[in-house]
Amino acid sequence: AQKITQTQPGMFVQEKEAVTLDCTYDTSDPSYGLFWYKQPSSGEMIFLIYQGSYDQQNATEGRYSLNFQKARKSANLVISASQLGDSAMYFCAMRPASGGSYIPTFGRGTSLIVHP
Amino acid sequence: DTEVTQTPKHLVMGMTNKKSLKCEQHMGHRAMYWYKQKAKKPPELMFVYSYEKLSINESVPSRFSPECPNSSLLNLHLHALQPEDSALYLCASGIFPPGDNQPQHFGDGTRLSIL
Repeated sequence: AQKITQTQPGMFVQEKEAVTLDCTYDTSDPSYGLFWYKQPSSGEMIFLIYQGSYDQQNATEGRYSLNFQKARKSANLVISASQLGDSAMYFCAMRPASGGSYIPTFGRGTSLIVHP
Repeated sequence: DTEVTQTPKHLVMGMTNKKSLKCEQHMGHRAMYWYKQKAKKPPELMFVYSYEKLSINESVPSRFSPECPNSSLLNLHLHALQPEDSALYLCASGIFPPGDNQPQHFGDGTRLSIL
C-alpha cells in the first residue's frame, strides 16, 4: 500500500519569495514516481513536475524544483520567486513504476496563498 | 487551454433528474478516468476505462453510470443523485499503460450541485 502525507494544510508566502511545500511518502514498491499537481480555483489539475525514484538528480521545471530525499522518503516542492498566480491547491501524488498499479495515490493537498 | 475538455462546466440538478457529464480528449490516450472531488480534498477515483473497457469501479453507487463510446469520449450518466453527490467531477486521460514519467491529464471539471 502507498501513502502520501502533506502536513501543511495552508501556507502563505510573500510575492517574489520562495516557498517549500512538504510531501512525505511510504511505499513498499522498489521503484516509483512522484508527481506534483497544481489546482487553481478554476478546478483543473495541472501537472507541474515529476521525480523518479531512481533519478540521480532532483527534478527542475522552470520555477519549480523538487527537493528529493529518498532515504527520508520526502519529495518537497520548491517554488522560487512566487507569483500571485501561484495561489492554488497543490497535490503530491505517487505511482508505482511500470508493471505496478497505474493508479496514483494523492496526498490531502496544501493550499498556498501568495500575498502581494 | 486544457487538452481534456469537460462539459458542462456547471450543472445544477434536482434529485429526480437525469443528466450526463461529458469528457473528450484527442491526445490518443487509451486510459480515461472519472474522479470526484470535494472542496479542499484530494480527488477520489471513481472509474477507469482502458481501451474503452471498464477496468476499475471503485464501488461507486449505481446512480452513477459511466460510458466510453469510443477512445476519445467518456460520459458519466447521473440519475437520482443525493445532495452529498454535490462535488467537482474531474475527468482525466493518460497513456495506457503509463510510462514512469507520464502523468494524467485532467480537464477543468464539472461543478455539480444537487438540490
